[in-house]
Amino acid sequence: TQLLEQSPQFLSIQEGENLTVYCNSSSVFSSLQWYRQEPGEGPVLLVTVVTGGEVKKLKRLTFQFGDARKDSSLHITAAQPGDTGLYLCAIQRVGGSQGNLIFGKGTKLSVKP
Amino acid sequence: IAGITQAPTSQILAAGRRMTLRCTQDMRHNAMYWYRQDLGLGLRLIHYSNTAGTTGKGEVPDGYSVSRANTDDFPLTLASAVPSQTSVYFCASSRDRYNEQFFGPGTRLTVL
Repeated sequence: TQLLEQSPQFLSIQEGENLTVYCNSSSVFSSLQWYRQEPGEGPVLLVTVVTGGEVKKLKRLTFQFGDARKDSSLHITAAQPGDTGLYLCAIQRVGGSQGNLIFGKGTKLSVKP
Repeated sequence: IAGITQAPTSQILAAGRRMTLRCTQDMRHNAMYWYRQDLGLGLRLIHYSNTAGTTGKGEVPDGYSVSRANTDDFPLTLASAVPSQTSVYFCASSRDRYNEQFFGPGTRLTVL
């Protein structure tokens, strides 16, 4: 059972368009992280959201944590080719290996000039 | 420059051979991790270490072993490689197990 569902799986858009990608879970989680992975590199943390309803902005990227703490979204305004990459959401595991991250499968974004 | 280094960058390996992937960090982070990334399956945790001298099993530990003799190094060993271990392997570290994880550049391993 996949704990985190990301959608869409793939997204190809033109430069200047807006887009939103989603991360959903059937379970409530305490915090969620968004990472971006560029081709041939490791993931890099973009943001951590911890409070239900929280909105964080990072230049043209807006991250939202759902009120029920079971979902999150990433909105990119006026996408640029440099935004191309794999966007991953991750939550921290509870229980025996508490603190370890569980990743979604990601949304692969391609922004064409 | 502070960060995580992994070696080798890529490797082609015959099935049945032993292989150690190296990972070193210079950030004095307590926690370190090994993931594998496969198309359609995402990033999956193989083993982790919350502090030097301790290790733990992740989601997919079978066929892999790790050691953490000191803070900086966290090698991953495949005792007898099999084709299903063909993957891209990422090492990561964090100040402690609840903090941001920093990833290395990855090792692309092909087992034939």
